[in-house]
Amino acid sequence: AQTVTQSQPEMSVQEAETVTLSCTYDTSESDYYLFWYKQPPSRQMILVIRQEAYKQQNATENRFSVNFQKAAKSFSLKISDSQLGDAAMYFCAYRSPNTGNQFYFGTGTSLTVIP
Amino acid sequence: EAGVAQSPRYKIIEKRQSVAFWCNPISGHATLYWYQQILGQGPKLLIQFQNNGVVDDSQLPKDRFSAERLKGVDSTLKIQPAKLEDSAVYLCASSFLGTALNTEAFFGQGTRLTVV
Repeated sequence: AQTVTQSQPEMSVQEAETVTLSCTYDTSESDYYLFWYKQPPSRQMILVIRQEAYKQQNATENRFSVNFQKAAKSFSLKISDSQLGDAAMYFCAYRSPNTGNQFYFGTGTSLTVIP
Repeated sequence: EAGVAQSPRYKIIEKRQSVAFWCNPISGHATLYWYQQILGQGPKLLIQFQNNGVVDDSQLPKDRFSAERLKGVDSTLKIQPAKLEDSAVYLCASSFLGTALNTEAFFGQGTRLTVV
């Protein structure tokens, strides 16, 4: 099974500042997708951003962008102009084409936004 | 568009009792997932359905957990008998096309189970 590692259990950022959440993964596949999900206290996981492995261009969604380094198997999330509503657990996920299109999740990073 | 519906939202049971969770995926979503999320951990896949067939149940503790997806729509997850270590949030998710990698999974709000 693929392994997804998030080495930062907790992170904090000042409101309006920028923060980067790290994610690495282990795979021998060449075609896959990577996702960042946000889980607020309400528990509902919400998609933040996705990245296709075959695309070199990093995905961007408004204040959220990724730094995808395929060779290094790294997929970090950058949140710019942090807002109080960004406070949540963030999970990195890998979707595999060879294991029934399963999603493999990391252990999460708890983000605190300081007013 | 209605989201993934789960019920109940909270459940407290004593060990050795049984419990069932219900999930109604987004209409038209062929793939349905049940995840177990223990406090402080990421979701762990228990079972994945494609329509009403099982794609992967390798991490489902089959001696006590069972799941079904009748007619390829609603799904129920049952635990019998429950153990203390089953205390967790049980998340249901669905996705539109099981073979399309770029398709995201849509999640319900989960059921928080406490076994005492």
